Amino acid sequence: SQTIHQWPATLVQPVGSPLSLECTVEGTSNPNLYWYRQAAGRGLQLLFYSVGIGQISSEVPQNLSASRPQDRQFILSSKKLLLSDSGFYLCAWKPGAVTGELFFGEGSRLTVL
Amino acid sequence: AQSVTQLGSHVSVSEGALVLLRCNYSSSVPPYLFWYVQYPNQGLQLLLKYTSAATLVKGINGFEAEFKKSETSFHLTKPSAHMSDAAEYFCAVSLTGNTPLVFGKGTRLSVIA
Repeated sequence: SQTIHQWPATLVQPVGSPLSLECTVEGTSNPNLYWYRQAAGRGLQLLFYSVGIGQISSEVPQNLSASRPQDRQFILSSKKLLLSDSGFYLCAWKPGAVTGELFFGEGSRLTVL
Repeated sequence: AQSVTQLGSHVSVSEGALVLLRCNYSSSVPPYLFWYVQYPNQGLQLLLKYTSAATLVKGINGFEAEFKKSETSFHLTKPSAHMSDAAEYFCAVSLTGNTPLVFGKGTRLSVIA
């Protein structure tokens, strides 16, 4: 069966520090991968998605970047965090180009102080 | 472009009462529709999905939703609320293939003993 792992679960970082959140999917190949951010009271905001290695689509211009160095690995990064980057980050996947639901990781809580 | 509107950011019901969470969508083509549930500090879990088969869809935990094309709605219901149903609920819409899911802003359900 397929599983998705996301880490770290909780992170407290000072303003201006770098960020790296990692997500891996097991038990499938060539998944579509997604990063969402959930800020308090604002629902889910799609940040990036990827349909293949090295292919990244950015939905919102911001202080973040994403990379997909391997088929089942998706990384969210920042060189210098802002206070506004605080939130709950969710990684998700779905099989290839098949229309259907997303499967979510457990999330990473980022607090920028 | 597709969009989702969830009416009511917060719904409160008594234990044993009917749960009704509203979702309206906007789409130029027949969409795929989803309801997700999120418990505090966790990822999203799929409750149910509509994929152009039966218009009345049954999901987990006793929830169901009815697709009404004429009303562009996909409301979520449960006949009798349990305390364990207290959570955040998200409606989402997808078109085809690689198009990312678009989520509503969510409805927080409180259940009063």
